Parts: sequence; C-alpha cells; structure tokens
Amino acid sequence: GAVVSQHPSRVICKSGTSVKIECRSLDFQATTMFWYRQFPKQSLMLMATSNEGSKATYEQGVEKDKFLINHASLTLSTLTVTSAHPEDSSFYICSAGQLAGGLYNEQFFGPGTRLTVL
Amino acid sequence: EDQVTQSPEALRLQEGESSSLNCSYTVSGLRGLFWYRQDPGKGPEFLFTLYSAGEEKEKERLKATLTKKESFLHITAPKPEDSATYLCAVQAGGTSYGKLTFGQGTILTVHP
Repeated sequence: GAVVSQHPSRVICKSGTSVKIECRSLDFQATTMFWYRQFPKQSLMLMATSNEGSKATYEQGVEKDKFLINHASLTLSTLTVTSAHPEDSSFYICSAGQLAGGLYNEQFFGPGTRLTVL
Repeated sequence: EDQVTQSPEALRLQEGESSSLNCSYTVSGLRGLFWYRQDPGKGPEFLFTLYSAGEEKEKERLKATLTKKESFLHITAPKPEDSATYLCAVQAGGTSYGKLTFGQGTILTVHP
C-alpha cells in the first residue's frame, strides 16, 4: 500500500504555544488529505478534509481558527494547533486518499502524532 | 447521520480459536466499507474495502464479508500477532467524497 508519513511523531509543548504537524504522501499524489484526532481508547474522529490548493472543510464543532490546515501541494498537508491548551492533548492522525473514478478508495493513514500540552 | 457500531468491544481468544467481529452500519448510500487494523500508538493499517452486499475479501487469516446492514471480519486460527484493535469505517455517497465514519473498534487479544 501507499506510504504516508507524519512529523513529528511526538511533541510536548507549553500551554499557549503553537504546534505544526506535517503529513506527507511519499509515493503518490494525494488530492485529498484528512485530519483525525483520537482520544485514548476511542475511535478516530474526523476533524477536517483538506484539498490541495483550496480551503479545508471542517467538521461541525471543530474550530477553524484553532486548527489551521494548509494543503500546499499534492504531497504535503500541515495541521497547526494554535495557542494549544491541555485539552488539545491527543493523538492526531492524517490520511491521504487517491481519487479513482470519482471515488476515494483506500485511505492510507500516517503513523500519528502524539501531542501533549503541559 | 451515518452510524457504525462494532461488537464486541473486546474479544479474547486462544491461539487457533477462530471467531468473528461484527460491524453494523446505517448510511445513506454506501460507497464503501473499510476494515483497518490499529496497533497501540500507531496509525490504522488498511486491510480491506468492500463495495457491495455479497462481496468477500481474504488476506491470510482474515476474511471480510458484507451484507446490506453489516460486515463481518472472520479470523481463522488466529495467532498472538493478530492482537490489535480492528476498526470498521463507512464511506457514504454525497458531496463529502472520501469522508470515513469509524466505529469504536474491537480490541482483539490472542493468547498463546
């Protein structure tokens, strides 16, 4: 399957700082990338859908100004958590999809980024 | 609203003891049902995509089936390395192509 990387894998920051997470599709061009967050022992919750060259679409309840998403190229999307607070501590996972025949088939996930806000 | 419910929440098996995981779903216009495996602290690993009722797919000890209301992931003669959380997700029709709605997952533990 296709490979998706995330950087950093772990980050610890102080409350009030901003953190940027990168998501890269290494061996294919991803028209669309998705950002999820996962709390301990819970499933993945979609935060936003990111299309290359356009604004991200955020799920209901996700603050656009807090979670800034940029999809500057077909292989890179970034999630910036602005003014992070302890409640933002979570496991953030990105995925990349390949468009085929108007449908997104397999989505390939990155290894995730563990964010801890002190 | 699309919904996915997985059962059981947790399943403990002895090595070699076959079993099945269930994924029930309600979705407006199913485009695809996905199975993923997730190990602790890692991202989900793609296993299968099923598109229509009656479809089956196999990979090593795993077999996924699909009906109009649910999907099963059958595990034949599991080994300890099959221990993981198995996630089911659906992709619905409409404008949000690609969006996946996940179930809560089934935590599988296989004892030697």
